[in-house]
Amino acid sequence: EDKVVQSPLSLVVHEGDTVTLNCSYEVTNFRSLLWYKQEKKAPTFLFMLTSSGIEKKSGRLSSILDKKELSSILNITATQTGDSAIYLCAVRIPDYGGATNKLIFGTGTLLAVQP
Amino acid sequence: NAGVTQTPKFRILKIGQSMTLQCTQDMNHNYMYWYRQDPGMGLKLIYYSVGAGITDKGEVPNGYNVSRSTTEDFPLRLELAAPSQTSVYFCASSYVGGRLGSIYFGEGSWLTVV
Repeated sequence: EDKVVQSPLSLVVHEGDTVTLNCSYEVTNFRSLLWYKQEKKAPTFLFMLTSSGIEKKSGRLSSILDKKELSSILNITATQTGDSAIYLCAVRIPDYGGATNKLIFGTGTLLAVQP
Repeated sequence: NAGVTQTPKFRILKIGQSMTLQCTQDMNHNYMYWYRQDPGMGLKLIYYSVGAGITDKGEVPNGYNVSRSTTEDFPLRLELAAPSQTSVYFCASSYVGGRLGSIYFGEGSWLTVV
C-alpha cells in the first residue's frame, strides 16, 4: 500500500528558531514530492521536488529530496508567527494506467510558532 | 483570477439527506479531484477525473458520486448523508505538464452531518 508519513505530528517553537520537518514515503512508482502549507483554508503550494540532492529555496523555506532514503525535509529558518500552519507532504504517483497522476498525502505536521 | 471555486462553504445536513458540492475551475485543467480532510488527518482522495466524461474512484469513494460533463465542472454528490461524512471537502485541479506540475485547491467546504 502506498503511504506517506510525516514527522513530527506537531511542533511548538519560538520565533527565530529553525525547524526541520520530515516526510518519508513508500510508493510503487515515484514521480515527485510536493510540500504544501495549509493555514485556515486550502493548502497552498510550496515546492515540488523530483531530483535527489537539489535544494529548492524560497525565502526562509528550503526543501531537499533524498531518493535513496525515500524522504524529504522542509527547513524553515528564523521562524515567524506567520509560519504557524499545517505543512503537508504529498507524493505524486502515476495512476489510471499511467495516464494521470495521483497525490498521496501525509497527515501533516502542525507547526505553532510562539512570539 | 477565480481559479478553483467551491460552493457552499458551510453546510449542515441531517442524517439521510442528500446534497451536491459544486466545483468549477476556469484554468482549462483537464484533471480534477475531490478530497476530504478529517480533523488532524491528511487529505484523502474521494474521486478524480482525467477529463470530461471520465471519472474514477480514489481512496474513500463510498457514499459519494461524481460526474464530469464539462471540463470546468466536477460536482460531488452525497447520497444519504451519514455522520462519518462530517469533514472538510476540497476540490482541486491540475494540468499535467503545467507550471511546476502543481495542483490547485479550492477554499474548502465545511460539512457537518447531524
